[in-house]
Amino acid sequence: NAGVTQTPKFQVLKTGQSMTLQCAQDMNHEYMSWYRQDPGMGLRLIHYSVGAGITDQGEVPNGYNVSRSTTEDFPLRLLSAAPSQTSVYFCASSYSRQQETQYFGPGTRLLVL
Amino acid sequence: ELKVEQNPLFLSMQEGKNYTIYCNYSTTSDRLYWYRQDPGKSLESLFVLLSNGAVKQEGRLMASLDTKARLSTLHITAAVHDLSATYFCAVDGRKTGNQFYFGTGTSLTVIP
Repeated sequence: NAGVTQTPKFQVLKTGQSMTLQCAQDMNHEYMSWYRQDPGMGLRLIHYSVGAGITDQGEVPNGYNVSRSTTEDFPLRLLSAAPSQTSVYFCASSYSRQQETQYFGPGTRLLVL
Repeated sequence: ELKVEQNPLFLSMQEGKNYTIYCNYSTTSDRLYWYRQDPGKSLESLFVLLSNGAVKQEGRLMASLDTKARLSTLHITAAVHDLSATYFCAVDGRKTGNQFYFGTGTSLTVIP
């Protein structure tokens, strides 16, 4: 198993550009989520999904969209990048929300100029 | 909104010493998770605590959960340099849906 994979590993954007961060898992996990990690703030949940076709907002959803058309993939879209979205983004998955820890991808480091 | 507070935020300790990291949270939850993160790396799961009074141990780390006090502790015994990392606790905010709330992390440095 590859576990949770994320691409790209690093990206530089200009303000106003859009892009999609990719996340995939091969563990047949139902629950997937996106976090951003900023210095001194821990991880904050952006969006999550409890299964294909089902998504919901987390703590900091503004400026981001998600979709879940398959169990394996959970892309995160930045609609119009802003410098405030400079961060490290982690995707995570678990078999189900209950009684399961999450498995994290390697992260995507995003710099918005 | 569920808040998760860790203390201390920074911890520098000598090898061989013992210390405890505290994780307080603001609302009812009976699930708590501990993660480790090495610099520039992803998060690695350490412990899953699923009920009041739960205690888990792995090597020099022991985690416990007191849901009535809304407190979890991560105890480090006889620290070694390899334990240097940032440790996060996270709480499952069931009442608000399928959301996990993370503490700000404790950066641990073990000095030889």
